[in-house]
Amino acid sequence: DTEVTQTPKHLVMGMTNKKSLKCEQHMGHRAMYWYKQKAKKPPELMFVYSYEKLSINESVPSRFSPECPNSSLLNLHLHALQPEDSALYLCASSHMASVGGELFFGEGSRLTVL
Amino acid sequence: DQQVKQNSPSLSVQEGRISILNCDYTNSMFDYFLWYKKYPAEGPTFLISISSIKDKNEDGRFTVFLNKSAKHLSLHIVPSQPGDSAVYFCAMETSGSRLTFGEGTQLTVNP
Repeated sequence: DTEVTQTPKHLVMGMTNKKSLKCEQHMGHRAMYWYKQKAKKPPELMFVYSYEKLSINESVPSRFSPECPNSSLLNLHLHALQPEDSALYLCASSHMASVGGELFFGEGSRLTVL
Repeated sequence: DQQVKQNSPSLSVQEGRISILNCDYTNSMFDYFLWYKKYPAEGPTFLISISSIKDKNEDGRFTVFLNKSAKHLSLHIVPSQPGDSAVYFCAMETSGSRLTFGEGTQLTVNP
């Protein structure tokens, strides 16, 4: 199993809603990532979890709250988002959070904030 | 300040010919360089990589070249096939698994 599975594939939410994006991998990877990608732009790193602990937060606003319940799961909790937060949110995993580690990406969750 | 630039947003190549995708960077601290391919409605998939101590890495039809003095990375695909049509991102890494991506080049291989 070399897949990273993300749900939901599409999400529409209002600015007052609370929702969550989910990501799952069963490759035994110990590093998991959230990236954000706007249209015609490259993916931008948001968070890195290494061994279920948050190791990198790229100054992401607190309306985005990551959670790593176990080594296979990664969530991104969303609250009070803005329309400019509409984007494709990509989850990725790698064997370890170290230089040269190949990242495996999910298909992404496309978020629209109204 | 964009540290990684792919100056060609698109490239069109005939099937069987060579595709050359280019990437320039400014941060000399990058020590690992990767290429990812992305089809529509899918996440990026890893293609090939090279560490800063090498200048060439080959994997089948794909070869990555690194010119550290010029801060230039390139990907050669030969022969190109229609199934190679996708968006190609170069990505660069320093410590801590921080990948910085270029903006991508849409490659179209025409039959």
